[in-house]
Order: sequence, then structure tokens, then C-alpha cells
Amino acid sequence: KAGVTQTPRYLIKTRGQQVTLSCSPISGHRSVSWYQQTPGQGLQFLFEYFSETQRNKGNFPGRFSGRQFSNSRSEMNVSTLELGDSALYLCASSTDSGNTIYFGEGSWLTVV
Amino acid sequence: GQQLNQSPQSMFIQEGEDVSMNCTSSSIFNTWLWYKQEPGEGPVLLIALYKAGELTSNGRLTAQFGITRKDSFLNISASIPSDVGIYFCAGQLVDTNAGKSTFGDGTTLTVKP
Repeated sequence: KAGVTQTPRYLIKTRGQQVTLSCSPISGHRSVSWYQQTPGQGLQFLFEYFSETQRNKGNFPGRFSGRQFSNSRSEMNVSTLELGDSALYLCASSTDSGNTIYFGEGSWLTVV
Repeated sequence: GQQLNQSPQSMFIQEGEDVSMNCTSSSIFNTWLWYKQEPGEGPVLLIALYKAGELTSNGRLTAQFGITRKDSFLNISASIPSDVGIYFCAGQLVDTNAGKSTFGDGTTLTVKP
């Protein structure tokens, strides 16, 4: 069974640009959540989607948004990038009833 | 927001030694998860705990869900160099669903051959 797949793995953007990251969950998983990981702040919860609806949201500004498609694939978008947005963005998926999350390898975003 | 206190922050040990790390919270959790993350990779699930008092092993790793539901520990026996990495605990509060987990700040493990 394939794991959680994230693309792209690495990208460099300029301040003010926007970026879209993609995540394909484990087959059969309908919950997809996103986390931001930085050395100083650790793993911070961004939001979770379930059946195309945002079910939970963390404390991030509105520049961070996401969506989920009918096949459970998810995208997250960051608009008007700031230097502080440089981080590893992790996607995780879980089953409907499960309470265990499985992570992808992450997308490394560098904002210059 | 909710916070998990994970300790120690870092450990430097000799190959063959046993390792113990733990996480505590002021809130009750209904799930405890332990992950290992290596440089440049996403966290990999090591052990999942779902019941208070549960003790689960995965090879040389053993983790327990505290009976108060506010803590958990992870032990690694007879450490080897490939155990190097950052170990995270994660918990889910009662009445939250799978997608929203709270993470500890991690324990960085260094194993000297």
C-alpha cells in the first residue's frame, strides 16, 4: 500500500509569491491534515480536511488555505509568502475511525 | 493551546545503552503516538497507544500509555547508531478527531558508536 505522497519535495519561492503544495493520502484514508515544522516552533497544526470539508483549523493567518478533492487528495496554498514561511510542510492522513496519523516525507519550502 | 512537555530535549548516549524519554500534559489524551524523524524526512510512526495502561513493544522499542492518561513514555533498549534521530510524542485530546494532534517538541537522540 503506497504511503502519503507529497509534491513537490523542494521548492524555492520569492517573498510575495504564492505556493501550492499537493498531498495524496494513503488509499482509503479520507482525513488529510497539514502541519508546519520549523526548528524554533516544532510541529504546528495547520488544518484538517475530511470528505472535502475543513474539519479543524489551527492558528495560522488567512494566507494559509487548503482544499480537498473528491478523491481525498489535498492541496494547501500559501499566498503573499513571507520569509518566516520557510519550513517543512507535512501532510498526514488517517482513516475515518482511526486515531493514528501517517505522515508524508514533506515539502521543503524556502522563501528568499 | 494545548501543550505536551517532552523530555529530555536531547540525549547523547553510547551504543548499547538503553534510552528513556517521556511526555506529559495537563490534559487527558485518548491516544498517544510516538514518531521518529530523520533529517530531511517526515515523521515515521513507531508505536500507537489507545488505552490507559497499555504497554506496547515494537522490536527494541517499548511505549506505555500512562494510567492517568496524561503521560506516556518510550524506551529504546540496546541502542544502535541507526537509532539517531528526533523522537516525537503526539497526543489526541478527548473529543478531537484523528487529524488534529498535539506534538511534543521532540527528543534529539545521538548514539556514539
